[in-house]
Amino acid sequence: GQNIDQPTEMTATEGAIVQINCTYQTSGFNGLFWYQQHAGEAPTFLSYNVLDGLEEKGRFSSFLSRSKGYSYLLLKELQMKDSASYLCAVFDSNYQLIWGAGTKLIIKP
Amino acid sequence: IAGITQAPTSQILAAGRRMTLRCTQDMRHNAMYWYRQDLGLGLRLIHYSNTAGTTGKGEVPDGYSVSRANTDDFPLTLASAVPSQTSVYFCASSRAASSGANVLTFGAGSRLTVL
Repeated sequence: GQNIDQPTEMTATEGAIVQINCTYQTSGFNGLFWYQQHAGEAPTFLSYNVLDGLEEKGRFSSFLSRSKGYSYLLLKELQMKDSASYLCAVFDSNYQLIWGAGTKLIIKP
Repeated sequence: IAGITQAPTSQILAAGRRMTLRCTQDMRHNAMYWYRQDLGLGLRLIHYSNTAGTTGKGEVPDGYSVSRANTDDFPLTLASAVPSQTSVYFCASSRAASSGANVLTFGAGSRLTVL
């Protein structure tokens, strides 16, 4: 079966750096997405990786290793507004999006 | 403001009743999707439409139906609601279904409680 694993919950301190990991086993691969979802709101797009390596976008970076079935989202200079769930999703060979259950990130002052 | 509008925002429904969740987008996106989100689970695809006039079944289609008469609207119908359909429902759209950087835009969600 297809599976995406992410930690259920993480805690970090304001101003620090946090890395949220995502591992996947899917039938084929056509890209990996990270979405941010604040409590009670809709998911919003953060990043897309299809080739190995690091994609940087301001305070957020996303890394992909296709050979290891692994990605991480790196958040720097954490702010209280970064408290949210972070969803990892993979496009499989049929361009079906497979979603992880999400990682709830709690930021403490 | 361009985006996706869902209605109702929240609804409490008696089991056995019929319910339609409405979804309208104004971005002229070809593909539209309905997901349900339950605590501890990832988003699960109910039905999708790659283009107006076509629909397809997702991971959890039983008990739900959809139609796509035009580009903008994609209603989701529960023919006879059951308590297991209590969930938050998200409508989403994207420019094209089968392209790599297929970024989804989500509606604000509809919280449905079936008693």
